[in-house]
Amino acid sequence: QVRLQESGPGLVKPSGTLSLTCIVSGGSISRASKWWTWVRQPPGKGLEWIGEIYDNGSTNYNPSLESRVTMSVDTSKNEFSLKLSSVTGADTAVYYCARGSGAAGLGYWGQGSLVTVSS
Amino acid sequence: EIVLTQSPGALSLSPGEGATLSCRASQRVSSSYLAWYQQRPGQAPRLLIFAASNRATDIPDRFSGSGSGTDFTLTISRLEPEDFATYYCQRYGPSPPYTFGQGTRLEIK
Repeated sequence: QVRLQESGPGLVKPSGTLSLTCIVSGGSISRASKWWTWVRQPPGKGLEWIGEIYDNGSTNYNPSLESRVTMSVDTSKNEFSLKLSSVTGADTAVYYCARGSGAAGLGYWGQGSLVTVSS
Repeated sequence: EIVLTQSPGALSLSPGEGATLSCRASQRVSSSYLAWYQQRPGQAPRLLIFAASNRATDIPDRFSGSGSGTDFTLTISRLEPEDFATYYCQRYGPSPPYTFGQGTRLEIK
């Protein structure tokens, strides 16, 4: 059974960089032919797709965040990462990592990691 | 960017009743890439339906999806207490960005 687990600081200062890692267990990231995805949810609000990375490093980002987002994958550690720069209070949210597989949607999700942007 | 609009925003029903949730797209969406998710409070979303009408693994058959083009529907027959949650539709292909609808909150009457 594939499991995903987010890890990273729960508090980031304004103008700083948010960094999260998603550790994948129960299956290999490499050669999985899957899209490894980040989604966020501000408190009390809906879901926002941040972007995705393929196991070969190809990425797609939400145009509204593209200038501040960087995703990477480390197949040796079986994990993938998100960096979001120049954060403000509007970036406070629960951040989820998920696995997408073509036409089958986001079938596996991490439990979510709350990141608060505050001084 | 394709915008997904879900209606109603909230729905109050009783256990045992049926529910019909709508997801309307601002442009045509390929049925191959329309999903529905359920999110209970404090939990991560869970995939219910992919490719508009295919149930994900272990999803009860009281959940069904239908639709094409710009109009999609999630139907829940015979509501169970655990079904009261928020539901989101999402377009996830063939080209990004992959937007979510704003959600429909299903409440116990």
